[in-house]
Amino acid sequence: GAVVSQHPSWVICKSGTSVKIECRSLDFQATTMFWYRQFPKQSLMLMATSNEGSKATYEQGVEKDKFLINHASLTLSTLTVTSAHPEDSSFYICSARLAGVYSGEQYFGPGTRLTVT
Amino acid sequence: SQKIEQNSEALNIQEGKTATLTCNYTNYSPAYLQWYRQDPGRGPVFLLLIRENEKEKRKERLKVTFDTTLKQSLFHITASQPADSATYLCALLMGTGGFKTIFGAGTRLFVKA
Repeated sequence: GAVVSQHPSWVICKSGTSVKIECRSLDFQATTMFWYRQFPKQSLMLMATSNEGSKATYEQGVEKDKFLINHASLTLSTLTVTSAHPEDSSFYICSARLAGVYSGEQYFGPGTRLTVT
Repeated sequence: SQKIEQNSEALNIQEGKTATLTCNYTNYSPAYLQWYRQDPGRGPVFLLLIRENEKEKRKERLKVTFDTTLKQSLFHITASQPADSATYLCALLMGTGGFKTIFGAGTRLFVKA
């Protein structure tokens, strides 16, 4: 149980284009999902907290107009990287917490490797 | 400044020995501390959570200690196996700000057969 999927698992796009990444909780409902970014040999950096039915909360230094987050249902959150640049190339990982249960545990997706050329 | 420190150097141990990983933090007051395992190119997997009022938590071959005075957690894997080779992440869960989780950079563990 508590499986989170991400799609696509990897994507290559040209500079200036937009890319959408999907995060789904497959067998549970998640009122809160998180989006992280991870560079090689570095820690996961929280980008934003996504709450179902409301606007996402972005961390300091993360451009909300560049990283668009939509959490339209209890099982789906999307991250759209707009006008991507090579410096946006990274490993993007989402996670979710069980709705209505607080244990601090997060269930992570397998990640999406984005390469911007 | 706030920071979480994990040993950036890889830890190499022999199969069957106990691996001990360290997590130190400064200028944080976490409500919980968690440990995750991350394999290359994959998302982290939750292992253990310990609360601020707990000293020790065990789960099978895993043991975590939490010293809020020293601001340190130790993560032990007993009877280590090559399959335990991975990166282990320490994470602090804050009691405020929507229970935000802050991750350390992780320590790479190699268990040799």
